[in-house]
Amino acid sequence: DAKTTQPPSMDCAEGRAANLPCNHSTISGNEYVYWYRQIHSQGPQYIIHGLKNNETNEMASLIITEDRKSSTLILPHATLRDTAVYYCIVRADNYGQNFVFGPGTRLSVLP
Amino acid sequence: GAGVSQSPRYKVAKRGQDVALRCDPISGHVSLFWYQQALGQGPEFLTYFQNEAQLDKSGLPSDRFFAERPEGSVSTLKIQRTQQEDSAVYLCASSLREGLNNEQFFGPGTRLTVL
Repeated sequence: DAKTTQPPSMDCAEGRAANLPCNHSTISGNEYVYWYRQIHSQGPQYIIHGLKNNETNEMASLIITEDRKSSTLILPHATLRDTAVYYCIVRADNYGQNFVFGPGTRLSVLP
Repeated sequence: GAGVSQSPRYKVAKRGQDVALRCDPISGHVSLFWYQQALGQGPEFLTYFQNEAQLDKSGLPSDRFFAERPEGSVSTLKIQRTQQEDSAVYLCASSLREGLNNEQFFGPGTRLTVL
C-alpha cells in the first residue's frame, strides 16, 4: 500500500500557484519524498524530490515540514499544460527500490 | 537524447493469445523496472532488473507473466494466455544506477487490450 495520502482532485486558476498537499505520517528516516506527474496517455514524469530540506528546481518547489510528516508541492504559475495526475511517493534510496504509487491528485488548471 | 521507448504503443489481443512488450531503456541505465497501470489507478510494480539480473519479481501477478533482459539493455515483458484482467497500460522505467538521488525515467507505456 502507498504510504502517502493525497486529495483526489484539485482545481487551480491558470497563472496562479498550485499547492498540492501530501501526508506521509509514517515516513522513515531514510525515505525521500518524490513527486511525479502523469499527463494523459503519457508515462509518469519526474518533478522533484527531497529528504528534509526544501527543494526548488525549474519545475516546482517542494516544502517538507520539519517533522517530515507532510509536504507540499508548489507549481508557482500553473499553466493549462500542468493539468495532470500528481503522485507523491515516499521511497528509500535502497538498492532496487521501486516506487509505490497511490491514486494521486488530479489537478485541473482552469482558464 | 532519447528517452525510454516502448513498443508497440497499443496492442489488442484475443483472450488466450501470447503477447510480448518491448522496452528500450536510456542507454547506459543500469536499472529497469516494469509497472502495470489499470485504468484510473496509479502504476503498480511488477519486476526489477539490474543489468541482466532480475532481482525482484514479486509484483508479477501470475506465472503467465515473464520478463527478461538478456543483455542488460532491452527488456521484454511476455504475457502468456492473456486474460481480460490483463488489460492495462504497461510502463517501463529506467534509472542510471541505484543509490542516492536516482530518479526513474518512464516510457510512454504500452496499452494492452484483451478482448
